[in-house]
Amino acid sequence: QVQLVESGGGVVQPGESLRLSCVTSGFTFSSYGIHWVRQAPGKGLEWVAVIWYDGSNKVYADPVKGRFTISRDNSKNTLNLQMNSLRTEDTAVYYCAREANRGLDLWGQGTLVTVSS
Amino acid sequence: DIQMTQSPSSLSASVGDRVTITCRASQGIRNDLGWYQQKPGKAPKRLIYDTSTLQSGVPTRFSGSGSGTEFTLTISSLQPEDFATYYCLQHNSYPWAFGQGTKVEIK
Repeated sequence: QVQLVESGGGVVQPGESLRLSCVTSGFTFSSYGIHWVRQAPGKGLEWVAVIWYDGSNKVYADPVKGRFTISRDNSKNTLNLQMNSLRTEDTAVYYCAREANRGLDLWGQGTLVTVSS
Repeated sequence: DIQMTQSPSSLSASVGDRVTITCRASQGIRNDLGWYQQKPGKAPKRLIYDTSTLQSGVPTRFSGSGSGTEFTLTISSLQPEDFATYYCLQHNSYPWAFGQGTKVEIK
């Protein structure tokens, strides 16, 4: 079954860190770029970051640049998002999504990150 | 950075209506645009990529058009399962950017 499954969300205080994971199955993970997209409660979709299929390049949205790090382990079909110095405005559901045919064709179910004091 | 302006932000329509949603890019993005549908509590689902190519399994009542800076998603005959929020996404250059979304509600 082709799928992406996120995990690692939770409640943290401002300034703390959290690491999200996205485990994939059913496709050749090492052939695809993978993205993170987030959605604050009641708000629209926001693109966060991308990592190339081989990990050779990474791009971040300005709001997370310098605080978030995207990485992947192709031997484990896993994508990670290390989130440091979290802020209340980082509160959102975080989705991982596969890039294919120029766009995001396959999405996980999302994991909720809440940053609150 | 490219900004995407989507309109309207919401609309009310009846089953069987023709619905049109527009996205405007702040600069030319060729045909590098997709459309996504999201239902409450669910992950987005891609409907269209490269402006007008229908994702496999998506009903043909959905269509996309445009190029450059102006793009349109059309639902030719709205069905009950189409009530949802729709987003455009430009993938021409990084950072990728979504439109603000259009919530399609039942009239």
